[in-house]
Amino acid sequence: DAKTTQPTSMDCAEGRAANLPCNHSTISGNEYVYWYRQIHSQGPQYIIHGLKNNETNEMASLIITEDRKSSTLILPHATLRDTAVYYCIVLLWGYSSASKIIFGSGTRLSIRP
Amino acid sequence: SAVISQKPSRDICQRGTSLTIQCQVDSQVTMMFWYRQQPGQSLTLIATANQGSEATYESGFVIDKFPISRPNLTFSTLTVSNMSPEDSSIYLCSVESRGRNEQYFGPGTRLTVT
Repeated sequence: DAKTTQPTSMDCAEGRAANLPCNHSTISGNEYVYWYRQIHSQGPQYIIHGLKNNETNEMASLIITEDRKSSTLILPHATLRDTAVYYCIVLLWGYSSASKIIFGSGTRLSIRP
Repeated sequence: SAVISQKPSRDICQRGTSLTIQCQVDSQVTMMFWYRQQPGQSLTLIATANQGSEATYESGFVIDKFPISRPNLTFSTLTVSNMSPEDSSIYLCSVESRGRNEQYFGPGTRLTVT
């Protein structure tokens, strides 16, 4: 089972920041928080990941709470092309076994003009 | 990032037949994964394919139904055997990039079984 909880759907006005929450209260100390998104009928696209510290890249920012039990993905200036299903995933890396991604239901983000 | 291609991109098949889906990566990777996405659902992991060893299947998936080959570090195939309409899904492969701690996904193969 997925180790994360996300709202089923959200909407955001174009040009505004989209803030997508995720709960991962059972995360262990060496598990990362990853975000992927899936635009309709395409393969999932990697967005960002982090362990403890907040992270930012050209696509988004990831804010992880100090206790690591929740996080927020921020799309700073949402566009219509950001309409997609966003998946928050907890993942263990750096070990000899494969890092299997278990997808939950995700959040369906709709950007309105 | 790795560039992944899948063939075919889509197919319509008859019940009882089999379809082999190919996944090609533009760089050598150790781990490859196969997922299924049924209509309106999230992705479900079918199996992990490590080059040079048997694939490891997740609960609910068996080798007889979904045989996987991994002949080298850039290629894998998934066969959907003895198909039924319930196998109508998008099948996706992904690869693991350990150096970047990321996984990359292919575009998917949309399968319809009639």
